Amino acid sequence: NAGVTQTPKFRVLKTGQSMTLLCAQDMNHEYMYWYRQDPGMGLRLIHYSVGEGTTAKGEVPDGYNVSRLKKQNFLLGLESAAPSQTSVYFCASSFGGQPFAFFGQGTRLTVV
Amino acid sequence: AQSVTQPDIHITVSEGASLELRCNYSYGATPYLFWYVQSPGQGLQLLLKYFSGDTLVQGIKGFEAEFKRSQSSFNLRKPSVHWSDAAEYFCAVGFTNFGNEKLTFGTGTRLTIIP
Repeated sequence: NAGVTQTPKFRVLKTGQSMTLLCAQDMNHEYMYWYRQDPGMGLRLIHYSVGEGTTAKGEVPDGYNVSRLKKQNFLLGLESAAPSQTSVYFCASSFGGQPFAFFGQGTRLTVV
Repeated sequence: AQSVTQPDIHITVSEGASLELRCNYSYGATPYLFWYVQSPGQGLQLLLKYFSGDTLVQGIKGFEAEFKRSQSSFNLRKPSVHWSDAAEYFCAVGFTNFGNEKLTFGTGTRLTIIP
């Protein structure tokens, strides 16, 4: 049972490049989330999804897009990476009606 | 909107000493409350959670937390810390509003253990 798996674990991008982070969960959770973690700021919600085919904005959505084409996958896209998007990104998932979540191991992204 | 405050950015304790990490929240009703732990380079692991009922909750790794409604607090405690407890600890609040379940995190407290 893998839980929540994030791909890749590390990535270095040049400013202006694009990339997609993949999150996969095998717990049949309805809800999935993308957070970013920055020093001294805790975790901030980027986007989330309450079910297949649905997405919603979180606290810091600008510069990111997401898609939830399959229940088990939640993709986070950066169309034109900026140095301000250097961060550690965490994916999480949960059952509907349960506000706590299971987290992936994180993706460390550096934009130079 | 709800918010979470962890007033201590960094705490250092000796191995075997007791520990208390503070967490205060702001919310119009009693939220769901959580403590997560993050070891270096790792994701977040749920230590314990409070939904309702007994205000003293037990978690994994010997941790406990007490919900105090009058103080809007949910402090984490451990009677005797081990070197392996060195990590960052996050308090979080959540609520269930159909289609709107999500967590709000505090900024974290980094715990250092000295021999």
